[in-house]
Amino acid sequence: DAGITQSPRHKVTETGTPVTLRCHQTENHRYMYWYRQDPGHGLRLIHYSYGVKDTDKGEVSDGYSVSRSKTEDFLLTLESATSSQTSVYFCASRGWGSTDTQYFGPGTRLTVL
Amino acid sequence: AQKITQTQPGMFVQEKEAVTLDCTYDTSDQSYGLFWYKQPSSGEMIFLIYQGSYDEQNATEGRYSLNFQKARKSANLVISASQLGDSAMYFCAMREGNAGNNRKLIWGLGTSLAVNP
Repeated sequence: DAGITQSPRHKVTETGTPVTLRCHQTENHRYMYWYRQDPGHGLRLIHYSYGVKDTDKGEVSDGYSVSRSKTEDFLLTLESATSSQTSVYFCASRGWGSTDTQYFGPGTRLTVL
Repeated sequence: AQKITQTQPGMFVQEKEAVTLDCTYDTSDQSYGLFWYKQPSSGEMIFLIYQGSYDEQNATEGRYSLNFQKARKSANLVISASQLGDSAMYFCAMREGNAGNNRKLIWGLGTSLAVNP
């Protein structure tokens, strides 16, 4: 399994505050992803990165921004958190291989009050 | 239209029995890949098994096998000899097109499996 960590693991914040979630991988994977998981919706892609400074939007990118200044780190920022962004956030990464298997971090549970 | 359909929201199986979790997919690509992931109650997403569209043999990984029926566009996960630790949510996912580049995965909504002692 890929070495992927996420921080923080749990966070409670208030509406309107900025929040940054960090994903760190030690596998030198080129591709990294941010998902959110909500009941009834499964996993939805927020943003992904295909290299340092190269990112693109997923299906639910509104209200989120990302940055990737180093191969190993992928940051997800909620500029002004809203209650609808209460969710579990997963980071994933994959290398360049024959299958495109994504490996996931442990997740961050974010609550916006 | 859903590209990945998991029709069983919840399933029960008796310990030591086999269970099949259904997954049907929709794609017009000739090259694609299918994945199964497990999410136990602790929350992490664990990769289980992969099947490529050109693979002639069904994929197997220990007690997990993938029953791949290309003409029916189904990729069912079979768990043999169920264990209590198999109780979890199971997700089917698909990569359309060839591996590499910026390929995203398309996810199903999952099936919750409960293994009874």
